[in-house]
Amino acid sequence: QLQVQESGPGLVEPSGTLSLTCVVSGGSISNDNWWSWVRQPPGKGLEWIGEIYQSGSTNYNPSLKSRVTISVDKSKNQFSLNLNFVTAADTAVYYCARERCSGASCYPSYYGMDVWGQGTTVTVSS
Amino acid sequence: QSALTQPPSASGSPGQSVTISCTGTSSDVGGYNYVSWYQQYPGKAPKLMIYEVNRRPSGVPDRFSGSKSGNTASLTVSGLQAEDEADYYCSSYAGSNNLVFGGGTKLTVL
Repeated sequence: QLQVQESGPGLVEPSGTLSLTCVVSGGSISNDNWWSWVRQPPGKGLEWIGEIYQSGSTNYNPSLKSRVTISVDKSKNQFSLNLNFVTAADTAVYYCARERCSGASCYPSYYGMDVWGQGTTVTVSS
Repeated sequence: QSALTQPPSASGSPGQSVTISCTGTSSDVGGYNYVSWYQQYPGKAPKLMIYEVNRRPSGVPDRFSGSKSGNTASLTVSGLQAEDEADYYCSSYAGSNNLVFGGGTKLTVL
């Protein structure tokens, strides 16, 4: 059974870079799925950050695009998130997730996210 | 892109049905049949309940159903059970490889 697990520092200083990794186990990141990052500020709703395909193709939330980079390392079966110039507003639980395919169709952001990590809390503070 | 609009709260008694709305625009909900719904318990990760407007992943009870009319999608929970008390979020493909979530609805089982 495929699982994903986030890891990274729980505390980041303002204006610094938030870096998280999502390890995929029980399956290959090189399948046809897209892989997403989603965050949830304390007491608030979900926000899509962006997604990546095994080839390295990416799509980002326009509101975060200038600060976000998502990359993939197929040799380690993992993908990563970098968010630059963070502020307190970036404090959140960060989730990684697999986007499901519909039959043989695996289009980005179409079919929902069916496998989620447990989430990792990142606090931006000095 | 703006978040989809959901009512902050909804409630119903055990056995009743409750419907949660998710309103967007013709650029997201109204323009594509790629609406998903998630259930989230406090401190837990979201769980996919509905995709492509009205399709259920394996293992999701058929008490959960989805529909769409114009720019508004809806999630209906029939035969409410205590375990259905959770937060529910909608999401929609928004064109140009973008995804947008709703603000979330807290469902209370009275």
